[in-house]
Amino acid sequence: DTAVSQTPKYLVTQMGNDKSIKCEQNLGHDTMYWYKQDSKKFLKIMFSYNNKELIINETVPNRFSPKSPDKAHLNLHINSLELGDSAVYFCASSQGPGELFFGEGSRLTVL
Amino acid sequence: SQQGEEDPQALSIQEGENATMNCSYKTSINNLQWYRQNSGRGLVHLILIRSNEREKHSGRLRVTLDTSKKSSSLLITASRAADTASYFCATDGGGATNKLIFGTGTLLAVQP
Repeated sequence: DTAVSQTPKYLVTQMGNDKSIKCEQNLGHDTMYWYKQDSKKFLKIMFSYNNKELIINETVPNRFSPKSPDKAHLNLHINSLELGDSAVYFCASSQGPGELFFGEGSRLTVL
Repeated sequence: SQQGEEDPQALSIQEGENATMNCSYKTSINNLQWYRQNSGRGLVHLILIRSNEREKHSGRLRVTLDTSKKSSSLLITASRAADTASYFCATDGGGATNKLIFGTGTLLAVQP
């Protein structure tokens, strides 16, 4: 069983559309994260939730809205997609400080 | 930017050789971690070293930490073709949240 799973793995869409990426972890961790990796492989944190509560909210356009229905799920919704949103989005989880467990990534391409 | 830097950006070696990657960071830390990313895959945790530790080993990996210089190094001994990947260091910024700041990464190619 995959520990941190994201869907979809690939997403190709037009500018201006709205899309969502879903993430689920079966590790029983309390904390989940969204990271964005750009074309140069720079990896930057976007959001973090601890037990459904938002604890990290980096400088991200408010077109990005995370939602955590329960501590095993963290979804990312993106409104009015722009070309610059093209990237690989990684979900991760951890139990307290320390090691992060990453999903396989969702590659978003905005045309 | 808080982002750390890794050096070299790319490294190509032969199987059996050792590979050394360096990481510099800018803030205080509680711990520093190293991750591996195979092409098209997610990141995988390799090793964590706490700020009060100077060296740590795990199998063929050796990590050192110098908090006075705000730097760390990752040594992979007796490299294998399967070690080909990007390697990232990550620091927690010394804060209470587990907000990891990743370095720019080193792309390691191990030639068979």
